Amino acid sequence: EVQLVESGGGLVQPGRSLRLSCAASGFTFDDNAMHWVRQAPGKGLEWVSGISWNSDYIGYADSVKGRFTISRDNAKNSLYLQMNSLRAEDTALYYCAKSPYKRSVTGNFDYWGHGIVVTVSS
Amino acid sequence: DIVMTQSPASLAVSLGERATINCKSSQSVLYSSSNKNYLAWYQQKPGQPPKLLIYWASTRESGVPDRFSGSGSGADFTLTISSLQAEDVAVYYCQQYYSTPLTFGGGTKVEIK
Repeated sequence: EVQLVESGGGLVQPGRSLRLSCAASGFTFDDNAMHWVRQAPGKGLEWVSGISWNSDYIGYADSVKGRFTISRDNAKNSLYLQMNSLRAEDTALYYCAKSPYKRSVTGNFDYWGHGIVVTVSS
Repeated sequence: DIVMTQSPASLAVSLGERATINCKSSQSVLYSSSNKNYLAWYQQKPGQPPKLLIYWASTRESGVPDRFSGSGSGADFTLTISSLQAEDVAVYYCQQYYSTPLTFGGGTKVEIK
């Protein structure tokens, strides 16, 4: 059974940093690209970032480019999102999502974690 | 960026009746070399993560009931629930994966009339 479990969220002040992690199990992690998708309270879905199986291809939403960094450790079956210079508008539920594709960061999302809340507030 | 526009924003349908959700992209998401539309549909129930229903615009994900169907090509797409069940109450999103940034429609909330 595919499982994606996010961790590392919480309350943080504007301008500070936070690192999210996603522990994956139930599938061959390095066979798939992975993504972060977020959902602000009461709002729709927003793609944040994606990374190919070997980290060769990485993409970011314009809203986070230059502030967020996605990475993965295939040996640990883990996905990460380093979030710097956080803003109030980054407040959201952050989902880790698996792509059915390997090499591209364009793809749909066939499995999702339950999400982790990030709140940016003073 | 490809902008995805869904309509309506909400709809109420009687049990057993048909529900139709539309999704338009600001440019074609049909990749000519593969003749595939890079368009997916998701269902999100309250308090749950989204669930993939349809990919390649019309291919049903494994385990998804056949009352859910996707159609359309190029820049105009439709998700149809042929006979609405109580468990289908949810918000539905379309998503293009033709190019980054990957983008979603604003969502359509489906309720029981």
